Amino acid sequence: KAGVTQTPRYLIKTRGQQVTLSCSPISGHRSVSWYQQTPGQGLQFLFEYFSETQRNKGNFPGRFSGRQFSNSRSEMNVSTLELGDSALYLCASSLDPVFYGYTFGSGTRLTVV
Amino acid sequence: QKEVEQDPGPLSVPEGAIVSLNCTYSNSAFQYFMWYRQYSRKGPELLMYTYSSGNKEDGRFTAQVDKSSKYISLFIRDSQPSDSATYLCAMTGTGNQFYFGTGTSLTVIP
Repeated sequence: KAGVTQTPRYLIKTRGQQVTLSCSPISGHRSVSWYQQTPGQGLQFLFEYFSETQRNKGNFPGRFSGRQFSNSRSEMNVSTLELGDSALYLCASSLDPVFYGYTFGSGTRLTVV
Repeated sequence: QKEVEQDPGPLSVPEGAIVSLNCTYSNSAFQYFMWYRQYSRKGPELLMYTYSSGNKEDGRFTAQVDKSSKYISLFIRDSQPSDSATYLCAMTGTGNQFYFGTGTSLTVIP
């Protein structure tokens, strides 16, 4: 059974640029969530998509956006990158996070210079 | 104040020791509690899941929840070098958002 696949694994971008990260969830999982992980703050929730609709949203600025396609694949976009956006971005899929927990991908390491 | 507090460690123990990992939280609405294990350069993987108060055991792992004290624990018996990882607690109330601890780094020395 394939796991959660995130691409690319590593990215280096310049301040002011925008970036798109991709996530392929486990087959059958309609819930896809995105988290930002940094050493000081730990995992912080960005948003959750379920059947192409954003179901929940964390406390991040509007520069962070996402979407989910009909095949449950999801993308996350960050516009006007700032140095503080450097982090590991984790995608997690689930049948229902509350009852089954998440299956995480290995993440995309974003470095903003 | 953060929703979830977790001692970052690092924690270093000899092989075979009993390990105790803990988190405290402030939101009394939390009722679903999880522990994740994260190896270096990998995403977290679900280790234990507990609903409301009580204990749950799975092999060498035991999860405890004390809602009256807003305190959860993960115990690892007979710790192995392969248990060396970062352990993250996570919790939610209604499921609209999960709150994670910052993680405790554990090293088990052979």
